[in-house]
Amino acid sequence: GQQLNQSPQSMFIQEGEDVSMNCTSSSIFNTWLWYKQDPGEGPVLLIALYKAGELTSNGRLTAQFGITRKDSFLNISASIPSDVGIYFCAGRSGGTSYGKLTFGQGTILTVHP
Amino acid sequence: EPEVTQTPSHQVTQMGQEVILRCVPISNHLYFYWYRQILGQKVEFLVSFYNNEISEKSEIFDDQFSVERPDGSNFTLKIRSTKLEDSAMYFCASSEGGGGYTFGSGTRLTVV
Repeated sequence: GQQLNQSPQSMFIQEGEDVSMNCTSSSIFNTWLWYKQDPGEGPVLLIALYKAGELTSNGRLTAQFGITRKDSFLNISASIPSDVGIYFCAGRSGGTSYGKLTFGQGTILTVHP
Repeated sequence: EPEVTQTPSHQVTQMGQEVILRCVPISNHLYFYWYRQILGQKVEFLVSFYNNEISEKSEIFDDQFSVERPDGSNFTLKIRSTKLEDSAMYFCASSEGGGGYTFGSGTRLTVV
């Protein structure tokens, strides 16, 4: 099946630092999504990307849909303690807008005050 | 902000027992999903449901699993005879079609 490789697996940063994480795939996706998951909760959508090359921001978060359609990155600027959590990339392939999502393994983010 | 609601939040069951996990998707959404997450691992797709039928399912979704939309608001996942390896967080999600999916807070299933 399709696999998404997400890196890094974990990050320990100081408050105020910028963060970058990315996902790569051997196959093409037509949608990339970035989710955040807090302990004991479901994933919450942060950013959705629909076109190759698309760059989208949501507050301090910026994500890009790679031009090859096989990768995406998420940047968080000026991190704050509430950014702590697990960040997942997810891709959707195929011709529909409602197909299954394939998730990456997640990046565990720890922010030290 | 519309929510996907899941009940119960925790379920402990004995191996071999049947469990039903319940979800109330967002009211104007047309597509419904179940995903699961084994502790410490990534989220995995189980099944998608549209127009009162399964539109796609994964290898995990074997004959022990079934889904149903018994009325206009609920969406259920049944595991007929639970196994130890079914222990996981089960997430329901819904979407309008296009865009991201809205996930519920999950049901933690523990099979003992």
